[in-house]
Amino acid sequence: NAGVTQTPKFRVLKTGQSMTLLCAQDMNHEYMYWYRQDPGMGLRLIHYSVGEGTTAKGEVPDGYNVSRLKKQNFLLGLESAAPSQTSVYFCASSYHYEQYFGPGTRLTVT
Amino acid sequence: KNEVEQSPQNLTAQEGEFITINCSYSVGISALHWLQQHPGGGIVSLFMLSSGKKKHGRLIATINIQEKHSSLHITASHPRDSAVYICAVRNAGGTSYGKLTFGQGTILTVHP
Repeated sequence: NAGVTQTPKFRVLKTGQSMTLLCAQDMNHEYMYWYRQDPGMGLRLIHYSVGEGTTAKGEVPDGYNVSRLKKQNFLLGLESAAPSQTSVYFCASSYHYEQYFGPGTRLTVT
Repeated sequence: KNEVEQSPQNLTAQEGEFITINCSYSVGISALHWLQQHPGGGIVSLFMLSSGKKKHGRLIATINIQEKHSSLHITASHPRDSAVYICAVRNAGGTSYGKLTFGQGTILTVHP
């Protein structure tokens, strides 16, 4: 099993550009999450999903959108990137309580 | 004040030393997680506990629910233990999706 994978691993965007981060899991987990990690701060939840076709806002959802069209995939979109969105993004999935994390995507917005 | 506070923020040790990382939280929880993040790497779960103590190899995690405090101990530390250790709590009640609140992490460096 690949577990949780994320693409891309690195990306540099200019302010105003858009992009989509892809998270995929092969563990048949119902729950999926997108976090951002910034220096000096703990991981913060952006959006989450409790099942295929459902999404909900986390702590810091502004500027992001998500979709979960298939159970195994959870997409995070930035419609108009801003420098404040420079961060490392982690996807995670869980069946019940324990969360399994992807390797992260390092995004820089200039 | 953050809901989850870790101490110390940075920790340097010599190989073989006994290490303790502390986590205090201010909310009611149903479980506490300890996670490990290697430089440039992903995040892996070390422990999930709701009471008492768990041990895995050289790692030991304890929790005191009454005092809202948990500790992660590493015995006979090794340079490969160098990583960021993150405490996260699962709030009591709420929805079933298992929202976690994370501490800022403790950066551990073990020198040979």
